[in-house]
Amino acid sequence: DAGITQSPRHKVTETGTPVTLRCHQTENHRYMYWYRQDPGHGLRLIHYSYGVKDTDKGEVSDGYSVSRSKTEDFLLTLESATSSQTSVYFCAIRDDMNYGYTFGSGTRLTVV
Amino acid sequence: DAKTTQPPSMDCAEGRAANLPCNHSTISGNEYVYWYRQIHSQGPQYIIHGLKNNETNEMASLIITEDRKSSTLILPHATLRDTAVYYCIVRVARGSNYKLTFGKGTLLTVNP
Repeated sequence: DAGITQSPRHKVTETGTPVTLRCHQTENHRYMYWYRQDPGHGLRLIHYSYGVKDTDKGEVSDGYSVSRSKTEDFLLTLESATSSQTSVYFCAIRDDMNYGYTFGSGTRLTVV
Repeated sequence: DAKTTQPPSMDCAEGRAANLPCNHSTISGNEYVYWYRQIHSQGPQYIIHGLKNNETNEMASLIITEDRKSSTLILPHATLRDTAVYYCIVRVARGSNYKLTFGKGTLLTVNP
């Protein structure tokens, strides 16, 4: 999607290992979000950020941490990956002018 | 944010108009109606939003009832590529709550 990039697109990791997913924007927007999507649950908010070093928890934040040291990057870390964190992760940015949201293409994470 | 109710699934013939309903009977005066869609394996995509007047853009039209308790998203000439899950979301555009909360949406299947 224009202006927002997620990396990696796919990752397989072992239980207990740390994993970091990256969301990068070129739009200089203040608000960024991390969601996960699982069958039967839809999209659920993990964490969001409203500025550099300003973050807050969403509805499913346990086991996840985030960091935002620069406007353009929002990192999601699974400190010790578990099989329940196997999911598709989407990053989103909110347009500061029209309040619309743009989502990234997603990261498919498998924890084995 | 006000709760929304959507049918879980709908079918539409290719080339015909697709009319997707959404009930939001508890909507507040300052809450907007947003529509997003998610094509399989992709991130959600913004379609349209409105407050009380009907809205139209290159993708769709949004019809909001006079009492604002329900709305209809209209895809005027549905194509196979419009097969997706469509989410109706009601929320304040501005203010302290910047989180976008997704329900289960409507799976629209466009048939040839």
